[in-house]
Amino acid sequence: AQTVTQSQPEMSVQEAETVTLSCTYDTSENNYYLFWYKQPPSRQMILVIRQEAYKQQNATENRFSVNFQKAAKSYSLKISDSQLGDTAMYFCAFMRNFGNEKLTFGTGTRLTIIP
Amino acid sequence: GAVVSQHPSWVICKSGTSVKIECRSLDFQATTMFWYRQFPKQSLMLMATSNEGSKATYEQGVEKDKFLINHASLTLSTLTVTSAHPEDSSFYICSARVGSGASDTQYFGPGTRLTVL
Repeated sequence: AQTVTQSQPEMSVQEAETVTLSCTYDTSENNYYLFWYKQPPSRQMILVIRQEAYKQQNATENRFSVNFQKAAKSYSLKISDSQLGDTAMYFCAFMRNFGNEKLTFGTGTRLTIIP
Repeated sequence: GAVVSQHPSWVICKSGTSVKIECRSLDFQATTMFWYRQFPKQSLMLMATSNEGSKATYEQGVEKDKFLINHASLTLSTLTVTSAHPEDSSFYICSARVGSGASDTQYFGPGTRLTVL
């Protein structure tokens, strides 16, 4: 079974600063996907960024980037130039690359951007 | 693209009644949808995987007779909470699977808050 660990229950950072959220996972699989989802106070889950395990290059989406270390089974999310709208719960998730696979979520990190 | 809707967004019902929650993929077809439950300040807990035209696959510990799932079309899955009790009060979220291979991703509905009195 796969497990996803987010060791930072809560974080806060000043607006415009950079923040990194940590995520580690445990799997015996070699082919899988990793995701970061954001859940703002509205509780709508929003896909932030995804990574294919077979890709060495780290994914980037505007101010969001990841540091994917496959050997260390680490998948951290960096938010640059943080904005008030980034305040949310952030969930790291794992999915095996086998057809109808489900997402395994971490426990989440509550991020607060301070004005 | 990849918009998922849920209806209703919130519902209050009396203990013993049944409640149906709809999950629709608005601009794509989804052969697979997922139903989650989320308690306050906790992560999402997968309840079941819903496949169009076949029976849902329930996670261990989820009562299939209490949480009835029907995936009647490629754009609609429903979750019916039968004989609801206060302990069933929770936030229910659905997601729909889009793409395959490298583009395989789940998009989520806005959730339904169920309160059972």
